[in-house]
Parts: sequence; C-alpha cells; structure tokens
Amino acid sequence: DQQVKQNSPSLSVQEGRISILNCDYTNSMFDYFLWYKKYPAEGPTFLISISSIKDKNEDGRFTVFLNKSAKHLSLHIVPSQPGDSAVYFCAARDSGNTPLVFGKGTRLSVIA
Amino acid sequence: DVKVTQSSRYLVKRTGEKVFLECVQDMDHENMFWYRQDPGLGLRLIYFSYDVKMKEKGDIPEGYSVSREKKERFSLILESASTNQTSMYLCASRISGGSNNEQFFGPGTRLTVL
Repeated sequence: DQQVKQNSPSLSVQEGRISILNCDYTNSMFDYFLWYKKYPAEGPTFLISISSIKDKNEDGRFTVFLNKSAKHLSLHIVPSQPGDSAVYFCAARDSGNTPLVFGKGTRLSVIA
Repeated sequence: DVKVTQSSRYLVKRTGEKVFLECVQDMDHENMFWYRQDPGLGLRLIYFSYDVKMKEKGDIPEGYSVSREKKERFSLILESASTNQTSMYLCASRISGGSNNEQFFGPGTRLTVL
C-alpha cells in the first residue's frame, strides 16, 4: 500500500503564477518530509524539506507547508518559471535510519 | 559537494545477460540505495545498504542482487536481464543517522534490455 501519495500526475501553470503541488501520507511515524525535483535523464535533486515539528519552511521561491493532522503537505512555487518544469517527488521517512519513501511524482509544466 | 557517480548513462543489453551497474560516492556515506524509476510508478526501492558488507531488500528486490565490498561502492547486479527490467536506475547515498539527512542521487543509468 502506498504510504506517500501524489494524486496529481501532472500540473500545468502559467509563468509568473503560483504552482501548488500536493502530497498525502498515511504513516503517522513519518517525521521528516522532502521534495525532490527531477529533469529528464538526470538524477533527482533535493529541493526543500520540513520536519514534523514545523508547519512551514521557506527557501526563496519555494515554500513547503505541513498539516500533520490531515497528513498532508504541499509545495508552493511563486512565481513559477519555465525552468521549474520538471517532475517533483514528495518523500518521507521516520526518525530511524530508514530509506526515504517516495510518491509517484507530479510533472509540472510552466508555460511561458 | 557530494558526488554520486554511476558507471554508465546509457546501457543496452540482451535478455539473459548478466548486468552490473556500478555506483560510487565520494563523501564517506554509510548508507547507499538503488532505485528504479518507471513512468507512473515513481521511485521504487530495490536494495539498500547501511554499511560495508551489509544489504537489505527494498520493495522490489526480485531479479536483482547487490554487492557492497567497499564503503564508497555499491553495485547492482541483474543476474539474468529481462525486458521488464528496462528502466532508469538511480543510485543514492546518505550519511547514517538522524532524520534530517537528505539522500544524494547519481545521474542515473538508462538500461534497455532487448
């Protein structure tokens, strides 16, 4: 059963507008959440993370929000740029030395 | 900068061949991972290793084996390649321990099995 779910396979946004990518999780033991960005024919690169003791983390144009009671997190990109077009993976892990669990990804297309 | 390198970017093999995918990291990380990425299925964990000589099965280990003889190197082996193993293979490494340690990925190997 999927522990990390990204229910939107794709998202299309106009350049300059906000992109919102969503992620839900089922495992209440998860306490650390990460977003990765992946371009075709390249490995994923780390974008931003948040621990369960916070509800928001911001880094430039990227903000991640965590709603623990709803087991939901979202990544906001403002303003969106064409170079943001990529596949975005949500990932989570618990406090032990365990592997990250990844969602299936959302393909973001930013249209100029 | 952490660097994770993979031996090949693109590889074409025949059904039944034995295939070796090599991964090397230069940051003395204890943990190493092998994933495969397929459209609509995301990143699925094949095997991982907490340290030298150690290995653990991930979610989809069938048809694969691994070797970790040195800390910096983690090899994925396809004993007898099949067409359903055509995929993008991604290696990652991470420092052992606390939950705020990100995983660093290599560039990936696009394997095609004919």
